Amino acid sequence: GAGVSQSPRYKVAKRGQDVALRCDPISGHVSLFWYQQALGQGPEFLTYFQNEAQLDKSGLPSDRFFAERPEGSVSTLKIQRTQQEDSAVYLCASSTGDEQFFGPGTRLTVL
Amino acid sequence: GDSVTQMEGPVTLSEEAFLTINCTYTATGYPSLFWYVQYPGEGLQLLLKATKADDKGSNKGFEATYRKETTSFHLEKGSVQVSDSAVYFCALAGGYQKVTFGTGTKLQVIP
Repeated sequence: GAGVSQSPRYKVAKRGQDVALRCDPISGHVSLFWYQQALGQGPEFLTYFQNEAQLDKSGLPSDRFFAERPEGSVSTLKIQRTQQEDSAVYLCASSTGDEQFFGPGTRLTVL
Repeated sequence: GDSVTQMEGPVTLSEEAFLTINCTYTATGYPSLFWYVQYPGEGLQLLLKATKADDKGSNKGFEATYRKETTSFHLEKGSVQVSDSAVYFCALAGGYQKVTFGTGTKLQVIP
């Protein structure tokens, strides 16, 4: 079956622009995670959903970052007024339990 | 909080050499431990996992043993191939399976 998909795969934004990154999890997966991976680093946790409920957003770096999953399936990570330090790969993962399945990521470059 | 420390790369080996990538962790409770692999141009994939002390995870000739007494989960392979060239991430998960990653170790295998 289809894995986790993310779009766009690449996004270039000018500093100050708003961006929206989409994640389509594996059908039926209850849990959904967002991670941020800076160049040469491991992914770092941003936020976690169980169905439509956002149960942990402790990793969001600032109030410019916002995530939603209104119907418990597709999720969107929104970044307002992007800054250069937001440049990274944003990974989405979905899970039914012990194993997380990762999407290919969206590479965001802020100029 | 939880953390993972793994040996820095890059690691360069000749084909058929023995591989060890060291990984130690700090966590409360009894986390599950993972090795993920990221091949060039591809997304993160789960390589192997262990969910309790003394468990050995194995896959594709790779193995790692969950050592609670030394808080370690070292990755080993007896004979590496060029196709094993990738970045390897040690990781742990507790609670609802939020994953904490190490910084990654790049492995390059030369013919």
